[in-house]
Amino acid sequence: AQSVTQLGSHVSVSEGALVLLRCNYSSSVPPYLFWYVQYPNQGLQLLLKYTTGATLVKGINGFEAEFKKSETSFHLTKPSAHMSDAAEYFCAVSVSGGGADGLTFGKGTHLIIQP
Amino acid sequence: DAGITQSPRHKVTETGTPVTLRCHQTENHRYMYWYRQDPGHGLRLIHYSYGVKDTDKGEVSDGYSVSRSKTEDFLLTLESATSSQTSVYFCAISGQASSYNSPLHFGNGTRLTVT
Repeated sequence: AQSVTQLGSHVSVSEGALVLLRCNYSSSVPPYLFWYVQYPNQGLQLLLKYTTGATLVKGINGFEAEFKKSETSFHLTKPSAHMSDAAEYFCAVSVSGGGADGLTFGKGTHLIIQP
Repeated sequence: DAGITQSPRHKVTETGTPVTLRCHQTENHRYMYWYRQDPGHGLRLIHYSYGVKDTDKGEVSDGYSVSRSKTEDFLLTLESATSSQTSVYFCAISGQASSYNSPLHFGNGTRLTVT
């Protein structure tokens, strides 16, 4: 079984500062990893995903994440925060292989941008 | 959104009454999922479907049933609603079994309140 831990239910950064949202996973097989963003009163939107290959993954809106197998981490970063980045962010994991596996989500991190 | 419509968007119901939520997709995707979102818990899988009349239980399936008589529709039924089922419910779809090839796409959610 796989699981995801997101460190920090709320993260506050100043506009223009670095954004770092932490995600650690547990999986007995090579995982596929995802970051989703949720804006108020909306569904989840895929930011980026790691499947295989390059460990540094670039996504939409200037976000990127690095898969570190040795640390079982997949932290999300953005060099310069913008007010529009304020949202809920979810890390998710899926095991490789077939089957309707769905996703296992972390509990989410609410990103607050201070002007 | 990837052609996913959830109805109703909001519903208030009384304890003990049956409730059905509908997810309709226009993408002709094979896989459909129902998640619930609760503060401090992230998203948890209730049921999923891998084809017409083919469904299976997720992590938190107790008190819920589903049906899929057509590719485009996936219904979630609360046979006798309880206050613990107050939540935001999200439908998601996927074109393929593994998230590797086809990440989940989410609807905008249904906010259900059980009084």
